[in-house]
Amino acid sequence: DAMVIQNPRYQVTQFGKPVTLSCSQTLNHNVMYWYQQKSSQAPKLLFHYYDKDFNNEADTPDNFQSRRPNTSFCFLDIRSPGLGDAAMYLCATRSGLAGREEQYFGPGTRLTVT
Amino acid sequence: AQTVTQSQPEMSVQEAETVTLSCTYDTSESNYYLFWYKQPPSRQMILVIRQEAYKQQNATENRFSVNFQKAAKSFSLKISDSQLGDTAMYFCAFMVPGNQFYFGTGTSLTVIP
Repeated sequence: DAMVIQNPRYQVTQFGKPVTLSCSQTLNHNVMYWYQQKSSQAPKLLFHYYDKDFNNEADTPDNFQSRRPNTSFCFLDIRSPGLGDAAMYLCATRSGLAGREEQYFGPGTRLTVT
Repeated sequence: AQTVTQSQPEMSVQEAETVTLSCTYDTSESNYYLFWYKQPPSRQMILVIRQEAYKQQNATENRFSVNFQKAAKSFSLKISDSQLGDTAMYFCAFMVPGNQFYFGTGTSLTVIP
């Protein structure tokens, strides 16, 4: 089945230690998103790619970076995680075709910062 | 600016009963899409139903249907014959083509056996 896959599902890192979260998709979608979701809150968009075009939200901290080496993969790098970065990180995709506006979400990576 | 408001943080419903979750939005755009997403506890967010603003007919997907009132900027979700598996956080979302999704703050629905 075509899907959005996130690894790992659970990640524990130490305060200040860089961490990378990964997302892959078999949907061949043009657009990929990274969201941060804290407990019982709506997902907050961090950035997205339309193909290789990177779009950063204005309030996304510089501590967060992203890479998309090809259509299938996208990475979220947190350079120096703080306690406030503990959250669920959701990857989502969208086809980019007109009329196909829905997003498909991965299962998320729950990040714990100790 | 686009905003999405879900005024019911928590709701509960008896199994087999019907429940309606409310959502309002604000936009000056005429072409847009509306969605309801379901996020069960510790599980993946999945699309429940979508509605194109240019379509007057309300979308339905099995037990799920919407009441789309474009003039009132209202987009409520009705769940009929509620099942225990419907227990989840429900997010209303809005999108203008080519732009980002705007999510509401969510409604936590509990189905009571």
